[in-house]
Amino acid sequence: RKEVEQDPGPFNVPEGATVAFNCTYSNSASQSFFWYRQDCRKEPKLLMSVYSSGNEDGRFTAQLNRASQYISLLIRDSKLSDSATYLCVDGGSQGNLIFGKGTKLSVKP
Amino acid sequence: DVKVTQSSRYLVKRTGEKVFLECVQDMDHENMFWYRQDPGLGLRLIYFSYDVKMKEKGDIPEGYSVSREKKERFSLILESASTNQTSMYLCASRSGGPKALFFGPGTRLTVL
Repeated sequence: RKEVEQDPGPFNVPEGATVAFNCTYSNSASQSFFWYRQDCRKEPKLLMSVYSSGNEDGRFTAQLNRASQYISLLIRDSKLSDSATYLCVDGGSQGNLIFGKGTKLSVKP
Repeated sequence: DVKVTQSSRYLVKRTGEKVFLECVQDMDHENMFWYRQDPGLGLRLIYFSYDVKMKEKGDIPEGYSVSREKKERFSLILESASTNQTSMYLCASRSGGPKALFFGPGTRLTVL
């Protein structure tokens, strides 16, 4: 069975901290990966796509290590508004996506 | 921006009722999906569709059916609602290939 594993957390960090989440996947044929952000009682929203070795967008950096089959998300200079659950997603090779159960982040003042 | 809309944000039904959840996307996406999300269990795929009139079972299709008569619309049907179907239901769509999903706002269904 194809799976995505994430540390559920919670990660409790102070404002301004750097925090990293890791995610492992089992399907070696997968071509794309995604990080989603989900706020409480809301729908998941796309944060970043990862198609090759990595991607950077402002304070957020995603990296893909195909040899070890893991994806990471790094958040620098954490803000209170970064508090959410972060979902790691394997885009799959045949159409269906595989979601991790999410990592909860709480940024404290 | 991609827009995925769902017919209701909150819904309360009684056991045994037939329930229709509607989802519409405006980006001409080929693929559409229905998930349910429960605390501690994450997102679980109920059904998905690659094209009009096509459907595929996901991980938990029991107790559900779907309909895709038009490309932009994907309906989830609970033939006879039960209390264990109380959940958050999320519709999503994407274009063909290994692309990102775009979610609707969700329908929080309570079955009494």
